Amino acid sequence: DAGVIQSPRHEVTEMGQEVTLRCKPISGHDYLFWYRQTMMRGLELLIYFNNNVPIDDSGMPEDRFSAKMPNASFSTLKIQPSEPRDSAVYFCASRPSTGPNTEAFFGQGTRLTVV
Amino acid sequence: SQQGEEDPQALSIQEGENATMNCSYKTSINNLQWYRQNSGRGLVHLILIRSNEREKHSGRLRVTLDTSKKSSSLLITASRAADTASYFCATVRNSGNTPLVFGKGTRLSVIA
Repeated sequence: DAGVIQSPRHEVTEMGQEVTLRCKPISGHDYLFWYRQTMMRGLELLIYFNNNVPIDDSGMPEDRFSAKMPNASFSTLKIQPSEPRDSAVYFCASRPSTGPNTEAFFGQGTRLTVV
Repeated sequence: SQQGEEDPQALSIQEGENATMNCSYKTSINNLQWYRQNSGRGLVHLILIRSNEREKHSGRLRVTLDTSKKSSSLLITASRAADTASYFCATVRNSGNTPLVFGKGTRLSVIA
């Protein structure tokens, strides 16, 4: 398996524009997580899915953020409209549903810069 | 809020020395995991220790867990320049299949 695949790797956009980040989890993994990483706040959990269903979105900072998982092999995180404070590295991770004592597998991240 | 807090925030050592990083957390956990992140890359799992374990080894890594103090330590022995990275602890709460909650990490620099 190629691992968790995120695209794009880098995104530079202007304030007010819509941004869509994409993630393909590892096949067979039932859990998918979106994290945001900044120097100030570290790694924050934004939302996670189990079997394509959103379980907890309490970490989504504002209504400008939305996430979907239309099928087991694809998820998107959308920011509309984007703001400079959204600049961060966004990670997607997946994990099999074999119990809590399992590791999470991370993608390479999308570095988002909003100017 | 952040579950884990690593200490120190940054650590610089010479190649061959041992590196120790500490992690404290706040709530009851099912397990604690350590991850490594190279600059500009994603996180990679290093080791998992369950709440009923006190110590675990994997190659040059040694992890301890003290649930009474809600703390863990990661020891890297005989460090190499390639160990330069950020190291994060992450916890899974006792309530079951919940997400990992990460600390802010320790930035380790190993000087050749």
